[in-house]
This record gives sequence, C-alpha cells and structure tokens, in this order.
Amino acid sequence: SQQGEEDPQALSIQEGENATMNCSYKTSINNLQWYRQNSGRGLVHLILIRSNEREKHSGRLRVTLDTSKKSSSLLITASRAADTASYFCATTRGPGGNTPLVFGKGTRLSVIA
Amino acid sequence: EPEVTQTPSHQVTQMGQEVILRCVPISNHLYFYWYRQILGQKVEFLVSFYNNEISEKSEIFDDQFSVERPDGSNFTLKIRSTKLEDSAMYFCASKVSGANTGELFFGEGSRLTVL
Repeated sequence: SQQGEEDPQALSIQEGENATMNCSYKTSINNLQWYRQNSGRGLVHLILIRSNEREKHSGRLRVTLDTSKKSSSLLITASRAADTASYFCATTRGPGGNTPLVFGKGTRLSVIA
Repeated sequence: EPEVTQTPSHQVTQMGQEVILRCVPISNHLYFYWYRQILGQKVEFLVSFYNNEISEKSEIFDDQFSVERPDGSNFTLKIRSTKLEDSAMYFCASKVSGANTGELFFGEGSRLTVL
C-alpha cells in the first residue's frame, strides 16, 4: 500500500509548545502533502513537499521529508488552541498526473489553552 | 474565495434506498474526486473523474456506486441500494490540473446515515 501512516495517533500538548507528527509510507512518491481536518469538517491543504526537497516552511509549519527512510514530519511551532484538529499526510500512488491522493489515518492533535 | 460545495449536509435513509449526493466543484477545476470517511477513521478514496469519465476507482466503488457530471457544474455520487456500512461522511474534492503537485480542494462533506 502507498498510503502514509501517521504517528502518534493522538497528541495532546499545552498552548505554546511545539507539536511534531510523523508519517511513513511504503513506496516511491513524487510528493507528499499534509492536510488538516477540523472535527466534522472537510480537509484543508496545508503544505506540499516534493520528493527532491528535504525541508519546507510555511508560517508556523515545518515539513521534512526523508525519502531514504520513506518518512515525513510535520512540526507546528508555538501551537495555539485553534490548531486543534486532525492532521493527515497524503501521497499519490504513482507518477501519473491524475493518480488519486491516498491518506493515512491521521494524528488527532489537541492543544490545551 | 471559490469553494467546493456539497449537498445535503446530512441525509438519513433506510437501508436499500437510493441516495444521491451532490457537489459543485470550483468552476475552473477539471479533476473531481469522491472520498469517504467512516466516523473516526481514515479518509478513503472512492473514485476520480476527468473529461466526463471515471479515471480510477477503488475496491469500495462497486456496482452500487456511480458518478456523473450531468450539466457541466454538478458532480454527483449515487448509491443505488444503501447498506448499513455505507454510513459515513462523503467528501467531494476537485483540483485545477492533473499534475501531481496540485492540491485538492475539499467540500465540507455530506454525512450519510443508513438505518
């Protein structure tokens, strides 16, 4: 299976702390994307990292990619209560232009004020 | 800001009944998807659609499921004879291009409850 698997399944931290979520996948990828889902809502794209990139930043988000270990991490710095959500990594199953994104099981992040 | 809209937000139906879930993708997008999420579980791919035909479908998308884009704006998912295990959130998504670098834009979902 191509799908990413996140860990931990659940993470609870205090506001202001950093949150790190990890994702592992099984086969080669073109890129890896992270999405966020508030409870009962749709998924929102956060960031995409290409297979030839090792690190990418967007605001308080930092994503790393290690293709040799087939893993990625998402770091949220200085977390806020509003960051409480589930976070999913997603990969495509092949190099084709329209191969669908396959999502992992997600990490449920709770940020306590 | 353009968004993907889905209706209904919640539908309750009896087992064996037909259900149609509707989506209006972002207007200049060309690639359309349906995903589902059983409560508390992962988001699962159902089907992708481009140029008025199915591009790819998963094992979940059996003969009971169908999709169509009847009028150039709506994108529908039909379940012919619902089963209890079809209860889930169904998400429509679209993207502008076929490149793997394209992000998916998701609707807020349609919650289907089969009794």
